[in-house]
Amino acid sequence: NAGVTQTPKFQVLKTGQSMTLQCAQDMNHEYMSWYRQDPGMGLRLIHYSVGAGITDQGEVPNGYNVSRSTTEDFPLRLLSAAPSQTSVYFCASAAQGGTEAFFGQGTRLTVV
Amino acid sequence: RKEVEQDPGPFNVPEGATVAFNCTYSNSASQSFFWYRQDCRKEPKLLMSVYSSGNEDGRFTAQLNRASQYISLLIRDSKLSDSATYLCVVKGPGGYQKVTFGTGTKLQVIP
Repeated sequence: NAGVTQTPKFQVLKTGQSMTLQCAQDMNHEYMSWYRQDPGMGLRLIHYSVGAGITDQGEVPNGYNVSRSTTEDFPLRLLSAAPSQTSVYFCASAAQGGTEAFFGQGTRLTVV
Repeated sequence: RKEVEQDPGPFNVPEGATVAFNCTYSNSASQSFFWYRQDCRKEPKLLMSVYSSGNEDGRFTAQLNRASQYISLLIRDSKLSDSATYLCVVKGPGGYQKVTFGTGTKLQVIP
């Protein structure tokens, strides 16, 4: 079982560049989300989706866009990278009535 | 006040020791509670759910005190492989977007 697949694992960007972090899940989960994890801050929700065609903002959405054209895929776009976006990013999925969230392996992003 | 608060540690304990972590939450409407484990530079994974009556899974025991709004995790007979960061997770009413993660408590089990 692949579970949640997240790419790339590492990325270095220059300030002002844009990029897309990919996330795919094969568990037919309705719910997908993106978090960033910073030291001492815990996981913070960036954007989430409760189904194809439906997205909403989380706690820290500024500077990021998402779309959900299929149940399986939930890409995260950084529009114009800033050093403050240096972080570890995790994609997660869950069944809406479920108790467990499944995470991708994470993307370590550095913006210089 | 943070929605979910944990002692960041680190807790350094010898093999075989018993160690307990506590977590407090601020939203009295919270409905579901979990402990996740995160190994260094890895993704979080569910360790166990926490039920009102308390629950046990092998060497791990989780307790919930709704009146005082805290959750605990007890690890007995610590193993080297238990070294990780333990995240307290609280879910409010609604979907998974209502989940709040604590910042984690780091455990280091020493030989």
